[in-house]
Amino acid sequence: QLVESGGGLVKPGGSLRLSCSASGFTFSDYYMSWIRQAPGKGLEWVSYISSSSTYINYADSVKGRFTISRDNAKKSLYLLMNSLRVEDTAVYYCARDGVAAADFWGQGTLVTVSS
Amino acid sequence: DIVMTQSPDSLAVSLGERATINCKSSQSVLFSSNNKNYLAWYQQKPGQPPKLLIYWASTRRSGVPDRFSGSGSGTDFTLTISSLQAEDVAIYYCLQYYSTRGYTFGQGTKLEIK
Repeated sequence: QLVESGGGLVKPGGSLRLSCSASGFTFSDYYMSWIRQAPGKGLEWVSYISSSSTYINYADSVKGRFTISRDNAKKSLYLLMNSLRVEDTAVYYCARDGVAAADFWGQGTLVTVSS
Repeated sequence: DIVMTQSPDSLAVSLGERATINCKSSQSVLFSSNNKNYLAWYQQKPGQPPKLLIYWASTRRSGVPDRFSGSGSGTDFTLTISSLQAEDVAIYYCLQYYSTRGYTFGQGTKLEIK
């Protein structure tokens, strides 16, 4: 199970930290990803992190503003989002990269960036 | 960056008929060292997160009905639903996970009943 939290309403230029709590599998064995979906729009991959945090990558749209991290002891994945823009408004999903990318998803948490 | 283009954007098919969704990548997603296509298909129903259906372009995930199948290699891929059921109404996405620079989704195909 993957459970996201930390979403909410934030003003443009603000910051927010999302969390994803994992259970039911060996969290430290898997790459993890954040994927978002703007209201009524398609899916956009945001970032991934390797099992030991060695490899990290970001979509160009968030590079330099978002930071992905994980704590394997706490079985948790994080996304620190700075300098938020209106266009960052979306449901943010955490997903496990297992047999393929994003083989298992959480229910998502809504981030709304608005003044 | 690899661009994924799905066609059509929307599709209406009669119950029991075949539905076909295409996905084209701007460059090959076939990894030569293991001969695997890094291409997956997802189904998303309203108000739900996406669900993985197919990976390695043609491997059906455990528990997915066998009316769903994936085919193709290199840059051209197809998701086929052999006999459409009412519960298959959804938006379908392809995803490339080949690039180390990051993953890319297609824009989605909305499947409805005719």
